[in-house]
Amino acid sequence: AQSVTQPDIHITVSEGASLELRCNYSYGATPYLFWYVQSPGQGLQLLLKYFSGDTLVQGIKGFEAEFKRSQSSFNLRKPSVHWSDAAEYFCAVFSGSARQLTFGSGTQLTVLP
Amino acid sequence: GAVVSQHPSWVICKSGTSVKIECRSLDFQATTMFWYRQFPKQSLMLMATSNEGSKATYEQGVEKDKFLINHASLTLSTLTVTSAHPEDSSFYICSARGLAGRDTQYFGPGTRLTVL
Repeated sequence: AQSVTQPDIHITVSEGASLELRCNYSYGATPYLFWYVQSPGQGLQLLLKYFSGDTLVQGIKGFEAEFKRSQSSFNLRKPSVHWSDAAEYFCAVFSGSARQLTFGSGTQLTVLP
Repeated sequence: GAVVSQHPSWVICKSGTSVKIECRSLDFQATTMFWYRQFPKQSLMLMATSNEGSKATYEQGVEKDKFLINHASLTLSTLTVTSAHPEDSSFYICSARGLAGRDTQYFGPGTRLTVL
């Protein structure tokens, strides 16, 4: 069965600093991978997705993620964090057999002024 | 991008009453809709998957008679919490997926249910 691990429950960075949120997946076939962001009391907004092709994908709000098959990882990065990026971030993998998303446990991002 | 709406955004009800939550895909046809429940500081828990015109498929441990799901059209799914109790208080989020099997799931803004 597929699974997603986000090792960091909570990350704190200063505004303007770079950011990397980790995501590791377990899936037997070619994974379809997603990063979503959730602000308090809100639904999930899609940041970016990887289906195939270029392993470095660009998303909205200046985010990017790199798919590394050898490491089973799909880490999210941003070169310079803004205070408005403070939120909960979820990594997810789509299972073709189950035809549904499996989410990681999420990483809470705090941005210091 | 695709937009999914939910209504209401929050609801407070008395114990024993039923509450209906609507989920609509506004600018695309959603062959599949998903209902999630989220507890504070936790990830999303899939409750059920519904395909248009078919009965919903519930995840293990989710009471289908308590959480009634209807997906009558390609743009509308409803979740009815029947005889709600305080333990049903939660944040409910719907998601919709388009015609292609691996297309992205787009999420609604969520509904905060508080049962007194």
